[in-house]
Amino acid sequence: EIVLTQSPGTLSLSPGERATLSCRASQSVSNNYLAWYQQKPGQAPRLLIYGASSRATGIPDRFSGSGSGTDFTLTISRLEPEDFAVYYCQYYDSTAPPFGGGTKVEIK
Amino acid sequence: QVQLEQSGAELKKPGASVKVSCKASGYTFTSNGIIWVRQAPGQGLEWLGWSSAYNGHTRYAQNFQGRVTMSTDTSTSTAYMELRSLRFDDTAVYYCAREDFDYAGLLDYWGQGTLVTVSS
Repeated sequence: EIVLTQSPGTLSLSPGERATLSCRASQSVSNNYLAWYQQKPGQAPRLLIYGASSRATGIPDRFSGSGSGTDFTLTISRLEPEDFAVYYCQYYDSTAPPFGGGTKVEIK
Repeated sequence: QVQLEQSGAELKKPGASVKVSCKASGYTFTSNGIIWVRQAPGQGLEWLGWSSAYNGHTRYAQNFQGRVTMSTDTSTSTAYMELRSLRFDDTAVYYCAREDFDYAGLLDYWGQGTLVTVSS
């Protein structure tokens, strides 16, 4: 069973700065079936990235995903006020797809 | 547009059961699976299980085997998740999500969530 570890737990940044979030898998992720979701307070998660690097429909190009094997990264090139949220990674090619513990991106 | 509309908040006593519904619209219901995820207060996301809207097959997380039942009703495009023998630590927001047609396990649309509170 793959375990996903996200770091850091909290990222304190200012609008306009670059955010780099990490997701590390305990075993190699097959076919790069790694997704990222964004969750704002009181809302359901929203799909941002799938296949490690493909943006979901309607997601701005300031969001990008990269990585392979066991190490994956979500980058937000320039933080907008609406980007401050919690981000989760997920390995979805599994009989019980696990989520990472989340990274909170907060305003500094 | 794809929408998943969940039933309202529930307050239950320990040992009781709860059944949450998820009504889908904006797509062909039988083309996609429905996945249930929960989130305890202040915590992360926990995958509960999957049900096929096409043939009714299900798959549950090991931690919930024997205590959860997921089902779908194609006549009303509605998915259901029933959790029995509720405990205090089942207090959480329960989400249904649509499984992407091309990628099993990928959650492309989510319901708004249903808060289930277990309290004596």
